[in-house]
Amino acid sequence: DSGVTQTPKHLITATGQRVTLRCSPRSGDLSVYWYQQSLDQGLQFLIQYYNGEERAKGNILERFSAQQFPDLHSELNLSSLELGDSALYFCASSVDVPGGLVDTQYFGPGTRLTVL
Amino acid sequence: EDQVTQSPEALRLQEGESSSLNCSYTVSGLRGLFWYRQDPGKGPEFLFTLYSAGEEKEKERLKATLTKKESFLHITAPKPEDSATYLCAVPGGMTTDSWGKLQFGAGTQVVVTP
Repeated sequence: DSGVTQTPKHLITATGQRVTLRCSPRSGDLSVYWYQQSLDQGLQFLIQYYNGEERAKGNILERFSAQQFPDLHSELNLSSLELGDSALYFCASSVDVPGGLVDTQYFGPGTRLTVL
Repeated sequence: EDQVTQSPEALRLQEGESSSLNCSYTVSGLRGLFWYRQDPGKGPEFLFTLYSAGEEKEKERLKATLTKKESFLHITAPKPEDSATYLCAVPGGMTTDSWGKLQFGAGTQVVVTP
């Protein structure tokens, strides 16, 4: 158990709908990351938040958005869903240690999204 | 663009048969390399972080090494519970703000049979 929690575990919805995925980081971690894993694309970075602010962005679709709240939990919002959005969505967190070293990211159990 | 390539794609081992997995990368100024283990439908589980060429880390039957162009994950005398997909990742981007953008390889799927 990494200490990162994600809800829900499974989500089944229809095309055109909107869903929200939730992530709680490990205690003390300030950074939250979102990744998408599909069979043909592998693990792809979407976005990072650090202490409530967006820090880095990957190839995240405009239909997708995220935010990090004052209690440091994060939500990933996916709208106008398409069949191709079906995937595993993972959240990760890290403590963000100063000193120039890259932080280790610890992953949650994921949310499996199925768009029908 | 930076690339991370893992080989082989799949590996089938007999219990006790040691082997190595490779992760090669084309990144200028490597700031770290990560190894994760992933079981089907689960989140990646952190194994190792390596920061500089020559560094080695061990955990039970696993040992990770790093050179300037590649990393190896050695599995010594594997057991069936070592069956998983092993992923390596490197930080993307040149600025500190982009180090969190981990770029993952496609993984090596390892199956260990009794």
